[in-house]
Amino acid sequence: AQSVSQHNHHVILSEAASLELGCNYSYGGTVNLFWYVQYPGQHLQLLLKYFSGDPLVKGIKGFEAEFIKSKFSFNLRKPSVQWSDTAEYFCAVVEGSQGNLIFGKGTKLSVKP
Amino acid sequence: DTEVTQTPKHLVMGMTNKKSLKCEQHMGHRAMYWYKQKAKKPPELMFVYSYEKLSINESVPSRFSPECPNSSLLNLHLHALQPEDSALYLCASSQVGIQGYEQYFGPGTRLTVT
Repeated sequence: AQSVSQHNHHVILSEAASLELGCNYSYGGTVNLFWYVQYPGQHLQLLLKYFSGDPLVKGIKGFEAEFIKSKFSFNLRKPSVQWSDTAEYFCAVVEGSQGNLIFGKGTKLSVKP
Repeated sequence: DTEVTQTPKHLVMGMTNKKSLKCEQHMGHRAMYWYKQKAKKPPELMFVYSYEKLSINESVPSRFSPECPNSSLLNLHLHALQPEDSALYLCASSQVGIQGYEQYFGPGTRLTVT
């Protein structure tokens, strides 16, 4: 079965710092990958997705992610974070034909103003 | 409209109560999902409905009973729950097909079992 690893449990950054959150999935083949964000007290929102094509994917709010097949990775990046980016970030991969989402354990991002 | 709605937002129930959670979407999605999310943990899949038929049951105890009355509605019936069932229950929906599709999540129902 697929699994997803997120390397950082809690990341603390100052505003304007650059962000990179790691995500690795367990096995290859065709994969559908996602990053979701959960702001405090709000529901899960899709940041970006990768199905095929250009491995550099741009999402909302200035986020992007790079799919590197050889490394089974899908890292999330943002050049300059803002206080409003404080949230929990989940990497997820689809398993099976039913669209079953497997989530990583999440990374809590705290941005200091 | 990319909204998934869930009611109620909060629910407190005793261990002998029967209650239901409701989820609705009007995006024409034919797959709907129930997830359970404990504090500081990722969502865990409970059930998947595809074309109104239960296609995945992730070994969920029978005190949770899902129902999909039509393509827009998804219910989760609760009976004789335990305190450890207290969690945020999330509903999601997506298109169905060979190509993967993203899931849209509702705000969740925060359930407390006393």
